[in-house]
Amino acid sequence: IAGITQAPTSQILAAGRRMTLRCTQDMRHNAMYWYRQDLGLGLRLIHYSNTAGTTGKGEVPDGYSVSRANTDDFPLTLASAVPSQTSVYFCASSDSYREGTGELFFGEGSRLTVL
Amino acid sequence: GQNIDQPTEMTATEGAIVQINCTYQTSGFNGLFWYQQHAGEAPTFLSYNVLDGLEEKGRFSSFLSRSKGYSYLLLKELQMKDSASYLCAVTDSNYQLIWGAGTKLIIKP
Repeated sequence: IAGITQAPTSQILAAGRRMTLRCTQDMRHNAMYWYRQDLGLGLRLIHYSNTAGTTGKGEVPDGYSVSRANTDDFPLTLASAVPSQTSVYFCASSDSYREGTGELFFGEGSRLTVL
Repeated sequence: GQNIDQPTEMTATEGAIVQINCTYQTSGFNGLFWYQQHAGEAPTFLSYNVLDGLEEKGRFSSFLSRSKGYSYLLLKELQMKDSASYLCAVTDSNYQLIWGAGTKLIIKP
């Protein structure tokens, strides 16, 4: 089934540890995004990539990094996790070049708890 | 600042009609999206409005008034499976999405 896959689905992590959330899509979409979703808040954009080889910062990029070596993969790395990064993380993709111009397809989410 | 307002929670009865409102204040406007998100799952696309008026898609309709900064999502013939959160998102002048916190809809038999 075509779509977007995230791993892990859930993780408990000690503060200070490094963590990479994986995201893979098989829809050949150009644009990919990482959001975090916290209770009572709207989705917030962490980083984005409009096409392979390029990345950009979203609304809340501090403490996170991304790479886009190819069209399909867009991993999100927390270099040194802190408790405030406890959240549900969603990867999304779109065949539009800009965030707000096309339907977003979301992965199932990665629930991260930092202790 | 930019802001999207939606009610936090609404309750409706199976078989009835419910209207979920969304008001926005953003720097420019280039479209408005509605997404559905069941608990513990990913958001899924419902509708997109860029011009004023009503867009109908089966049991779901979405309305937009750009002059009033207002949209609503209308759900008819409610089913238990419609229990979910409904997310409103607006594309601003920089083509960035501004998301509302979502409205949790509870359907009762």
